[in-house]
Amino acid sequence: SAVISQKPSRDICQRGTSLTIQCQVDSQVTMMFWYRQQPGQSLTLIATANQGSEATYESGFVIDKFPISRPNLTFSTLTVSNMSPEDSSIYLCSVRRGSGSSYNEQFFGPGTRLTVL
Amino acid sequence: AQKVTQAQTEISVVEKEDVTLDCVYETRDTTYYLFWYKQPPSGELVFLIRRNSFDEQNEISGRYSWNFQKSTSSFNFTITASQVVDSAVYFCALSADQPNQGGKLIFGQGTELSVKP
Repeated sequence: SAVISQKPSRDICQRGTSLTIQCQVDSQVTMMFWYRQQPGQSLTLIATANQGSEATYESGFVIDKFPISRPNLTFSTLTVSNMSPEDSSIYLCSVRRGSGSSYNEQFFGPGTRLTVL
Repeated sequence: AQKVTQAQTEISVVEKEDVTLDCVYETRDTTYYLFWYKQPPSGELVFLIRRNSFDEQNEISGRYSWNFQKSTSSFNFTITASQVVDSAVYFCALSADQPNQGGKLIFGQGTELSVKP
């Protein structure tokens, strides 16, 4: 398995501010992902964080609202910009090791619980 | 389109009962992966199992077992002799092995399992 850490583990923020969430993995990984889990809901993919290029966003998520960085193969950040109470969620970093049919393990970080007032 | 359905929103059992969590999936891909994750109240997503579409062998791990049936597009999860510590939300997820979708997980809505002493 992969050891994934996220900072902060939780935060309470004011409307209109921004928060940057960090994700650190204990080894190099090919793919990193950011998911959102709204209260009482399932997980939804926000974007795939690509090393050396712009992130790939899913429908309904835009770079201006959720800018992502991926400076190397072990680290990524997700920023939640201009927050509103609707952004209150758990944000989870996820990694996939390797590629191809023989290697598709996918693990999640502990999550960042965000509350926007 | 890909979709995962967990029809059981909540299940409540008494300790030592067996319980089966249902998962039905839809995909047009011939190669895909199915996952089960456990999310205890702490919020962390714990990886339980991954199954390849070309491997229909059932799997047993301690008190956990999984029944994969391509004919009915189901990947059900059974906990034998349930314990209070099994109380959590369980998610079934699907991933396609396509280059432009590699690693993206489609989650079901989750089943909240409550095991009472």
